[in-house]
Amino acid sequence: AQTVTQSQPEMSVQEAETVTLSCTYDTSENNYYLFWYKQPPSRQMILVIRQEAYKQQNATENRFSVNFQKAAKSFSLKISDSQLGDTAMYFCAFMKPPYSGGGADGLTFGKGTHLIIQP
Amino acid sequence: SQTIHQWPATLVQPVGSPLSLECTVEGTSNPNLYWYRQAAGRGLQLLFYSVGIGQISSEVPQNLSASRPQDRQFILSSKKLLLSDSGFYLCAWSGILDWFSGNTIYFGEGSWLTVV
Repeated sequence: AQTVTQSQPEMSVQEAETVTLSCTYDTSENNYYLFWYKQPPSRQMILVIRQEAYKQQNATENRFSVNFQKAAKSFSLKISDSQLGDTAMYFCAFMKPPYSGGGADGLTFGKGTHLIIQP
Repeated sequence: SQTIHQWPATLVQPVGSPLSLECTVEGTSNPNLYWYRQAAGRGLQLLFYSVGIGQISSEVPQNLSASRPQDRQFILSSKKLLLSDSGFYLCAWSGILDWFSGNTIYFGEGSWLTVV
């Protein structure tokens, strides 16, 4: 079974600063997807960024980028020029290969990091 | 474009009462559908998933059940709620999982359930 670990329960930074959220995972699979989801106070789960394990290039989405280290099984999220609207819970998630057995074809989530952007 | 809706948004139910949460997806056909639960201070836990009408897989043995009576409708039910069923429930959908199409799981707005 896969596990996802987020070791930072809470982080706080000043507006406009850069912040990095950590995520490690454990799997025996070689191909998989990794995701970062954002959950603001409204509680809706919003996709931030996705990384395919077979791609060496790190994914970027505007101010959001990842540092994917496959050998180390590490998947950190960097938020540049942080904004007040970035305040939210951030969840790292893992998706194993489809129909590969050993459980559902869905997401395994970490427990989340509460990110607070201070004005 | 595809949208997902779930209701009700909030629900307060007494212990022992039944439960029905409903989720519908628009703008796509034959989606994979999921029910997740988020208990206070915890991450998300997959409860059920479905790859087609009448096809339900349960991930966690519990007091809840799921049904998929139509292609784009997913229902979470309970005959008798327990206090431990309280939490935030999220419905989600994805296309047919295919490594070459870059599938992603998208979530509804969520339903707050408080069992008293």
